[in-house]
Amino acid sequence: DAGVTQSPTHLIKTRGQQVTLRCSPKSGHDTVSWYQQALGQGPQFIFQYYEEEERQRGNFPDRFSGHQFPNYSSELNVNALLLGDSALYLCASSLGHRPTNEKLFFGSGTQLSVL
Amino acid sequence: AQKITQTQPGMFVQEKEAVTLDCTYDTSDQSYGLFWYKQPSSGEMIFLIYQGSYDEQNATEGRYSLNFQKARKSANLVISASQLGDSAMYFCAMREGMNSGYSTLTFGKGTMLLVSP
Repeated sequence: DAGVTQSPTHLIKTRGQQVTLRCSPKSGHDTVSWYQQALGQGPQFIFQYYEEEERQRGNFPDRFSGHQFPNYSSELNVNALLLGDSALYLCASSLGHRPTNEKLFFGSGTQLSVL
Repeated sequence: AQKITQTQPGMFVQEKEAVTLDCTYDTSDQSYGLFWYKQPSSGEMIFLIYQGSYDEQNATEGRYSLNFQKARKSANLVISASQLGDSAMYFCAMREGMNSGYSTLTFGKGTMLLVSP
């Protein structure tokens, strides 16, 4: 049973560029959340997708956008990259309508470096 | 105000000893959940233990237990019989709005645990 998979594992971009990160949820999960983890910090919630729609959003600018596909996989897009966007981007999956003690399953993340 | 506060940036413990990692939280919700995750150097967040706000007993999962003191709004993680493989970052997290079917977590800044032989 494959867990949450993310690609690529590492990425280097320059300021102003655009980046796309990808995530495949754990088998059987239909909800994908994205988190940004800056160095030395805890993960911060970016947004969550369920049934191909953004359902909740954290305090991130519109430069951060996403998409969910019919197979539940998801993409995170960041436009006009800033140095401060350098972070580990974590994808988490869950089953949206399960009891709310449902734990999130995380991938190993994509390490984005903006130069 | 911080919703999740972890006051210990780093903790040291000897192998086979017990260690307590502190976590306090802030919420006005009556129904919420508290989680602990472990993050080794590989980056993946690994679920350890969960405590619901209405659970009367402290949660336990193997060597992990959660010391839940609701009135003090604290949810400390206790690791018994530490092992070298326990060396990692540990994050406390909270889910509010438990009537929602959607799972978002607010994390603390984490505590780095180092286990020495």
